[in-house]
Amino acid sequence: DAGVTQSPTHLIKTRGQQVTLRCSPKSGHDTVSWYQQALGQGPQFIFQYYEEEERQRGNFPDRFSGHQYPNYSSELNVNALLLGDSALYLCASSLFGGQGFYEQYFGPGTRLTVT
Amino acid sequence: DAKTTQPTSMDCAEGRAANLPCNHSTISGNEYVYWYRQIHSQGPQYIIHGLKNNETNEMASLIITEDRKSSTLILPHATLRDTAVYYCIVRVARSGNTPLVFGKGTRLSVIA
Repeated sequence: DAGVTQSPTHLIKTRGQQVTLRCSPKSGHDTVSWYQQALGQGPQFIFQYYEEEERQRGNFPDRFSGHQYPNYSSELNVNALLLGDSALYLCASSLFGGQGFYEQYFGPGTRLTVT
Repeated sequence: DAKTTQPTSMDCAEGRAANLPCNHSTISGNEYVYWYRQIHSQGPQYIIHGLKNNETNEMASLIITEDRKSSTLILPHATLRDTAVYYCIVRVARSGNTPLVFGKGTRLSVIA
């Protein structure tokens, strides 16, 4: 059973550029959430996708956008990169709705460095 | 903002029990206490959750006080591989996909 996978593992970009990060959810999951984790901090919620639509959003600017495909995989796009966007970007998958306990499974993350 | 307060760091001797406290004095009646941990350079990993009764699984035990204002995560026999940042989170469990709100967590160092 494949867990959550993310690509690339590491990425270095220059200020002002654009970046796309990718996530494949755990088998059987239909919802993808993205989190940003700055050095020394806990992860912060960016947004969540279900049925190819953004369902919830945290306190992040419009430079952060996303997409979900029919196979439930997802992308996180960040435009006009700032030095402060340097962080570990985590993808978490889960099952929307239904009964029972809702655990989010996290991928290993993508380390983005903006220079 | 996180609704929990945890110590910044703790040490534990290998083989001993690690007891990680968490304060959540403003917890609501429908909110559960969740624990996740994050080993260096990995994504967070679910450990355990509970509402008001004590819970135990293969990884840990969760003790919740009767007034539900605090809890303790217990790793009964800590190993070096338990060195990680541990996050205590309160969350409505049956909301499907309510985002996790992380604080800074407790950095547990297990020492040989």
